Amino acid sequence: AQSVTQLGSHVSVSEGALVLLRCNYSSSVPPYLFWYVQYPNQGLQLLLKYTSAATLVKGINGFEAEFKKSETSFHLTKPSAHMSDAAEYFCAVRNQAGTALIFGKGTTLSVSS
Amino acid sequence: SQTIHQWPATLVQPVGSPLSLECTVEGTSNPNLYWYRQAAGRGLQLLFYSVGIGQISSEVPQNLSASRPQDRQFILSSKKLLLSDSGFYLCAWREFSMRGEQYFGPGTRLTVT
Repeated sequence: AQSVTQLGSHVSVSEGALVLLRCNYSSSVPPYLFWYVQYPNQGLQLLLKYTSAATLVKGINGFEAEFKKSETSFHLTKPSAHMSDAAEYFCAVRNQAGTALIFGKGTTLSVSS
Repeated sequence: SQTIHQWPATLVQPVGSPLSLECTVEGTSNPNLYWYRQAAGRGLQLLFYSVGIGQISSEVPQNLSASRPQDRQFILSSKKLLLSDSGFYLCAWREFSMRGEQYFGPGTRLTVT
């Protein structure tokens, strides 16, 4: 069965610092993986996706993620945090049937000046 | 381009009252449709999904139900609300041909008093 674990429910960084949000997955089939961002009282916005092509995936707002099969990881990074990056981030994996996404519990990113 | 609408945006209902939340998608045909609930600190919980008119799959047994009367319309209902039904309800869609990514609506904040 597919599952997602996001390590750290809350991450704090300073403006301009590296952002690293961790996601580990479990999947019995080659995974399709996603990162979403949610701003307060809004829906989720797709940041990026991995669908078995390039292992380094670039997304919107300067974020990228690297798929590492050996580590079953799909960590999200951004070289330099901006105040506007403060939000909740969700990692997700497509279920085996391909009908739904399984989400992690989310990581709240705080950015201080 | 495709857009997804949800209404109402916010709702305050007393315990025991009925509920009807509506979601519509524009710009696509025969989408897969999803209802999620997001309770404080609990991540996203998939409630229902639908692959076509009248076809509903329930992921979690509860006092909620869903219906899909038209191709691009998805309705979440309850006959009698419980306090535990409070939360942020998100509708999402994906095209059958997409590799799993879903696109989310703006959400409905439901408070049961």
